[in-house]
Amino acid sequence: SQKIEQNSEALNIQEGKTATLTCNYTNYSPAYLQWYRQDPGRGPVFLLLIRENEKEKRKERLKVTFDTTLKQSLFHITASQPADSATYLCALEMGYSTLTFGKGTMLLVSP
Amino acid sequence: DGGITQSPKYLFRKEGQNVTLSCEQNLNHDAMYWYRQDPGQGLRLIYYSQIVNDFQKGDIAEGYSVSREKKESFPLTVTSAQKNPTAFYLCAANRGTEAFFGQGTRLTVV
Repeated sequence: SQKIEQNSEALNIQEGKTATLTCNYTNYSPAYLQWYRQDPGRGPVFLLLIRENEKEKRKERLKVTFDTTLKQSLFHITASQPADSATYLCALEMGYSTLTFGKGTMLLVSP
Repeated sequence: DGGITQSPKYLFRKEGQNVTLSCEQNLNHDAMYWYRQDPGQGLRLIYYSQIVNDFQKGDIAEGYSVSREKKESFPLTVTSAQKNPTAFYLCAANRGTEAFFGQGTRLTVV
């Protein structure tokens, strides 16, 4: 079955720096990969989707890359702010629009 | 104001009881999903429905049941057969590839 690993449980960075989160997966490559943000006690919120034939996707301060050879996606937040502090989830498409989620990486941006 | 509404936000269940979690959407999406989230764990798929009157088991369906009588509604019943039901339950609806989530129901067994 598909396994997803997100690089660390927690990541602490200083305000203004770039946060880089990693998502690695095993087995087959999905048609697309998504990133979500989850705040404590709330449901995840969709951020970005990248397809298997795309190398990079950007949205404002967010950037996602997708390397199907390495079976890895990198999620970058540039010029990070304390308001970016949250848990970020990587999710892979598994057919019928179902998703398999990683455990998430908790990002803490300090002023 | 479109979205996914889950109720109640907090739910307490006694051992041996069945409880039903509500999920309603006004997004007019066909596909709906139920996930379970435990502390430090990723979301795990319980059931999903692509269309009214049809649903499929996900990875951890044992001890749960669902119905999909209306497009807008996808209730989840946690039965007494679910041995470890304490968790955060999330309902979602898909528009194409993007999933919209509700705010979740936290279920605790007392």
